[in-house]
Amino acid sequence: ELKVEQNPLFLSMQEGKNYTIYCNYSTTSDRLYWYRQDPGKSLESLFVLLSNGAVKQEGRLMASLDTKARLSTLHITAAVHDLSATYFCAVDIRASNYQLIWGAGTKLIIKP
Amino acid sequence: GAVVSQHPSRVICKSGTSVKIECRSLDFQATTMFWYRQFPKQSLMLMATSNEGSKATYEQGVEKDKFLINHASLTLSTLTVTSAHPEDSSFYICSAVGQVRGTQYFGPGTRLLVL
Repeated sequence: ELKVEQNPLFLSMQEGKNYTIYCNYSTTSDRLYWYRQDPGKSLESLFVLLSNGAVKQEGRLMASLDTKARLSTLHITAAVHDLSATYFCAVDIRASNYQLIWGAGTKLIIKP
Repeated sequence: GAVVSQHPSRVICKSGTSVKIECRSLDFQATTMFWYRQFPKQSLMLMATSNEGSKATYEQGVEKDKFLINHASLTLSTLTVTSAHPEDSSFYICSAVGQVRGTQYFGPGTRLLVL
């Protein structure tokens, strides 16, 4: 069964702290996405990770991909309140129609 | 670039009516579009894959006669919720596959409330 598991599902943290969200997946894939969703809004693309060892950074967020371990991480450095949102990872299962398999999402609350 | 629009953004309707939601890729052509629904505090649930010029492929458990999908052009897909009922109330999101293989660009979503 194709599975994408995120943990934690909920994270409350103080501003200025560092933390990591994990995304494990059960099938072979060489393409993984991270999205952000604000309450009541649609999804915003954060990162596309295309190969083993890929690392991408944007501001206080950094994402990495280990295809051998089937693991991606989203690291938050010195969190600020504006990063409060729900973060989803999604895996490309190489289907011809580009279908993605989604994680359950991690709700991140950053307290000022 | 890669902007996807949805219309309407919000709709309230009476039970038994039909509602049409449009999804447009504004600055690129999309042979494939996806329709999702999302319940509060849950992940996205894929409803169907919409391919231009052919019938949509529905996920298991999604009634194709209730959720009619038409992908009439390379920039437009529509989802019609027929004879809507309160349990159809949800957040519906479309996405379009861009030129970079597999990258999905998401519309802003349509919030449907059926009374």
